[in-house]
Formats: sequence, C-alpha cells, structure tokens
Amino acid sequence: AQSVTQPDIHITVSEGASLELRCNYSYGATPYLFWYVQSPGQGLQLLLKYFSGDTLVQGIKGFEAEFKRSQSSFNLRKPSVHWSDAAEYFCAVGRYSGGGADGLTFGKGTHLIIQP
Amino acid sequence: DTAVSQTPKYLVTQMGNDKSIKCEQNLGHDTMYWYKQDSKKFLKIMFSYNNKELIINETVPNRFSPKSPDKAHLNLHINSLELGDSAVYFCASSQQGGFDQPQHFGDGTRLSIL
Repeated sequence: AQSVTQPDIHITVSEGASLELRCNYSYGATPYLFWYVQSPGQGLQLLLKYFSGDTLVQGIKGFEAEFKRSQSSFNLRKPSVHWSDAAEYFCAVGRYSGGGADGLTFGKGTHLIIQP
Repeated sequence: DTAVSQTPKYLVTQMGNDKSIKCEQNLGHDTMYWYKQDSKKFLKIMFSYNNKELIINETVPNRFSPKSPDKAHLNLHINSLELGDSAVYFCASSQQGGFDQPQHFGDGTRLSIL
C-alpha cells in the first residue's frame, strides 16, 4: 500500500527566507504526487502536481517541487516566503484500485510558521 | 461562485444522534469524495463515488453511509454518533478517470460531539 511521510511536523522560517518542505512517498508504480495547502479554517488548495515529464514542477504562489525517483521524494520549495504562507502543507499521492481514481493518500502535514 | 460547497459548516450534537452533511459541486465532475481530518490534522479518505458507484470504502464504520442522489451531490449520513467522530469532514470532487485533473475541496464541516 502506498504511503506518504512528511518528517517535519512544524517548521519555522523567517519572512523572506527560503523554504523547503520534505515529502517521501512509497508507491509501487509511477506516482501521481500533489502538494496542497490548508489555511486556518479553510479547505485544501492545490499548489502543484506531478505526473510525468519534467521533474521540476512549478505551482501557484511561487512554489515549486522536485520529483526525485531515486530518493522517493517530492520536496516543496519557495525561494522567499511571505507571512501569508503560514499554513498547513500536505503532500499526497494519488492511487488507483482498478475501478478508476480512488482518492488521495495524504501525509500528516507540516505546519509552517513565519517569523517576522 | 463556490465550486464545492458543504453544509453545515459547523455541527454540534450529542452522542447517539443521527446527522447528515451535505455536499454539492457545480464543476460537472464525475467523482466525489469524503475525507476525515482528525484533531491532529491527519486527512484520510473515507469514500469516493464515481457515477453513483462506490469505488472505495476504507475501514470506516458502517454507521457512516454516503448517499448520492445525483452526480452533483454526495451527502454523508452518520448514525449513532460517537465521541470519536468529532473531526472536520471534507468533501471533494474531480473528473473521472485519473488524477490529471485535481481534486477540488470544500471548506469542511467541523463536527463536534458532546
């Protein structure tokens, strides 16, 4: 069964500094990988996704992620964070059971705190 | 112009009651989902419906039952509520047939059991 690990529960970054959030996955085939962001009291918003092709994918709000098959990783990066980036970030892998798209398996999330 | 809408946003009720959460999407998607987010923010898939057919059903108690009156709606019925059911429940939808199109999430329903 597939799984997603986000090793950092909390990360604190100064405003303007760079950011990297880690994600490792376990999946038997080529994974469909996603990063979602959840602001307090809100639903999840898709930041970016990877299916195939270029291993560096660009997303919204200045985020990017790099797929590394050899490391089973899909880390999220941003060169300069803003206070509005404070939120919960979820890495997820899509899965199939043969009947069609099944749903997403999520990591446990990383809570991002931005220091002024 | 909300894409995926859930009602109610907050639901406070007592143990043993039966309650429903409604979900509607206006995106024309074929597949809808319910996720549960626990107090530690862990998100887990509960159900998905594709053209009115249940695709997956995780280890969810049979007190939970999804009902889809049409392609645009997937309601969640919960019988005999227990304290452990307290969580935020998210509805989502996507196009049928893969993950090329992303899942769109509602804003969640916070269920609190007294």
